[in-house]
Amino acid sequence: AQTVTQSQPEMSVQEAETVTLSCTYDTSENNYYLFWYKQPPSRQMILVIRQEAYKQQNATENRFSVNFQKAAKSFSLKISDSQLGDTAMYFCACGNTNAGKSTFGDGTTLTVKP
Amino acid sequence: KAGVTQTPRYLIKTRGQQVTLSCSPISGHRSVSWYQQTPGQGLQFLFEYFSETQRNKGNFPGRFSGRQFSNSRSEMNVSTLELGDSALYLCASSLEAGGLHQETQYFGPGTRLLVL
Repeated sequence: AQTVTQSQPEMSVQEAETVTLSCTYDTSENNYYLFWYKQPPSRQMILVIRQEAYKQQNATENRFSVNFQKAAKSFSLKISDSQLGDTAMYFCACGNTNAGKSTFGDGTTLTVKP
Repeated sequence: KAGVTQTPRYLIKTRGQQVTLSCSPISGHRSVSWYQQTPGQGLQFLFEYFSETQRNKGNFPGRFSGRQFSNSRSEMNVSTLELGDSALYLCASSLEAGGLHQETQYFGPGTRLLVL
């Protein structure tokens, strides 16, 4: 069984600043994948970034980067130069190689303020 | 390439009725997963289909069922609707299930179901 915990229900950040969203997980799998998804008010869930657990290097996608601490089972998302369009609910998720099923955290609502 | 599509987008039903939701995955994707999203419970995994077979199932009662067709399109059915079934139902597709690499799931816009 897998569990994903996001301890910050809500966060806010000023435009152009940096914010970090926290996520911890637990899994008994050796091979697994971690994801951050973004769900804007329009409700379309989109992938922000993904990390393969077997890779030590932290994933980066433009302004989005992760801090993957495998031993601590921590997977935080850093958003640099925050933009108004980053306002959304962010979900952390963990999936194993038995694909098609991911366990999601409860989400963090991020508001970027002008 | 067209994204994941779900129909209908909105649905209102009454208790005791049944409902069928449809999901068309991205072309070439063979895995389709269904999730229920509610404010109180977050995103809960319902089931996943691959090559017309249910591969994974979440902890939902038997009133929730699904199927997948040979063209990878999937439907989920909820019978004897209860008020608590009101939720956003999300469908996600991925290129391949299993193996060493889990492919990224791409989500549809969801079907919002309201049970009165």
